[in-house]
Amino acid sequence: AQSVTQLGSHVSVSEGALVLLRCNYSSSVPPYLFWYVQYPNQGLQLLLKYTSAATLVKGINGFEAEFKKSETSFHLTKPSAHMSDAAEYFCAVSVRSGGSNYKLTFGKGTLLTVNP
Amino acid sequence: DTGVSQNPRHKITKRGQNVTFRCDPISEHNRLYWYRQTLGQGPEFLTYFQNEAQLEKSRLLSDRFSAERPKGSFSTLEIQRTEQGDSAMYLCASRQQGPGELFFGEGSRLTVL
Repeated sequence: AQSVTQLGSHVSVSEGALVLLRCNYSSSVPPYLFWYVQYPNQGLQLLLKYTSAATLVKGINGFEAEFKKSETSFHLTKPSAHMSDAAEYFCAVSVRSGGSNYKLTFGKGTLLTVNP
Repeated sequence: DTGVSQNPRHKITKRGQNVTFRCDPISEHNRLYWYRQTLGQGPEFLTYFQNEAQLEKSRLLSDRFSAERPKGSFSTLEIQRTEQGDSAMYLCASRQQGPGELFFGEGSRLTVL
């Protein structure tokens, strides 16, 4: 069954430092992969998605992720953290669950703290 | 605003009471999903509709939970005889067909006292 594992439930960086949030997936078929961001008491907002086109995917707010099949990874990066990036980040994989139905299966999330 | 809309945003209730949440998806989306999110966890799938048909239900959805999507438009999620363990954020999402991204609403937070 397809699944994702996020390594590190909490990541803390200084403002201006590199952000690296790790996600590994398990899938028997080429996966569709997503990163979402969630601010406190809000829903999930899509940051970026991989749909079997370019392996380096650029998203909103300066984030990008690289799909590496050999490592079964889809890590999220941003060169320079901003205070407004503090939030919870979720990696997700699209799972076919019968017929034409797909649903997203999420990791447990990584809380990003940005220190001034 | 043409995004996914959920209400109420917050609901506080006493154990044993019934609660109902409503979700209005993006109008051209025929797929609608409900997820539950507890503190420190990722969203967990509850159920899925294609138009008005409920096509899949998670084992998380006990018999106290019922969801409907009459006429394939808005959806409701009802929880009967609430328990403290039902306290969570209930997220609704929608999309068109295919494996693409889900568009989420702001969520409905339930607190059961």
